[in-house]
This record gives sequence, structure tokens and C-alpha cells, in this order.
Amino acid sequence: GDSVTQMEGPVTLSEEAFLTINCTYTATGYPSLFWYVQYPGEGLQLLLKATKADDKGSNKGFEATYRKETTSFHLEKGSVQVSDSAVYFCALMNAGNNRKLIWGLGTSLAVNP
Amino acid sequence: DSGVTQTPKHLITATGQRVTLRCSPRSGDLSVYWYQQSLDQGLQFLIQYYNGEERAKGNILERFSAQQFPDLHSELNLSSLELGDSALYFCASSVGSTNNSPLHFGNGTRLTVT
Repeated sequence: GDSVTQMEGPVTLSEEAFLTINCTYTATGYPSLFWYVQYPGEGLQLLLKATKADDKGSNKGFEATYRKETTSFHLEKGSVQVSDSAVYFCALMNAGNNRKLIWGLGTSLAVNP
Repeated sequence: DSGVTQTPKHLITATGQRVTLRCSPRSGDLSVYWYQQSLDQGLQFLIQYYNGEERAKGNILERFSAQQFPDLHSELNLSSLELGDSALYFCASSVGSTNNSPLHFGNGTRLTVT
């Protein structure tokens, strides 16, 4: 079945460092790919998405490119801030799957000033 | 603010008990989804309702049930609770069933079973 694998955390960075959180997936067909973010004490929020190969999703300085050849959707940000400290979830949705999101286990990011 | 309201925020109860979690979707959203987030299993899809009818089922235990009412709010009932049911339960809503529309999540209900 479909699955998502994320790099394990926690990830700890200093402010202004470069961030990469790896995400790879296994799926039939052509899923849509998402990154959701969960700030402390809050629900999940959509961060960015990509719906087809080579699409780049971007938001709030974060980017991820849908790479079908490597089945990856790595999250990147050039310069992290303390306010980016959160848990990041990679997810996929397959068209024939009643919109059920398949989730990675989440990667915790802590950014120190 | 996502517009999705979940109550209560916290629940502490004993094994064997039954609890009800409530979710009010965003105004205009017809679909409601329930997810369980635990440390070892991550986020697991439980069940989806669309306009009052069950649309999809995921990893939902038989001890759990849900429903969506005519006013579109939803309740998740958890019975014969076990220690392993301790988790964060999220509700999400969306307008319909288009594949690429985002889900909007509530802030969750944290259930602790002692």
C-alpha cells in the first residue's frame, strides 16, 4: 500500500541555518504530496503542496519539489527562524483513496536563537 | 484559526470508560475526518463523513464509533478505553471531495487514559 517515510527527528538548528527534512513515498499512480506543520498546542496546518511531478510548492520561505524519479518531496528552507520550531509532517493523497491522507511520522524541528 | 472547533481540549479518564469527542467543521464544509495521533503510530486516519453519511473508514477500532449530525457537527465515541488509546485526536474538515483541497484541522482533543 501507499506509504510515506520521513527522516527521524528531532532536528536542532541554529537560527539562519539551512533546513532539509527528507521525505520519500511509495504510491501507485500519481498522488498529490503535502507538507503540514503542527506548532506547539495547535492543530495541523497545510504548509505547501504539489499535485504533479516537477511541481514546486512554496510558502513562508519553505519549498519542496515533487520528484517522481526519486519518489521524494524534501522540505527545504534557506534560513530558519525560532518561530519555525514545530513538527513537520509529509503526507500523500491518492486520487482513488477517498481523500485519505497517508502520513509520515513527523519530524520535530527546534531552532535555537 | 482554522475554523474547526474541537471540544474538549483535554480529557482524563480511566480504563474501561467511555468518552465522546466533539467537532464542529468550518462553515460550509461538508466533510469531516477524524485522525488519531500517537507517538508510536503517528497520524492515523480513522473515519470520514460527508454530509451525514460515512464515506471512508481507516484504522478505526470496533470500540470506536462516529457520526455526523444534520447540522454537520461530528462526534467520535470511544468506549471500553484502554491505556493505549491515550493520544491526540484531531478532527479535520473540507468543502467536498476534490483531491487537492486542503484539510483544515482543529486543535485536537488530548485524551489520557489512566
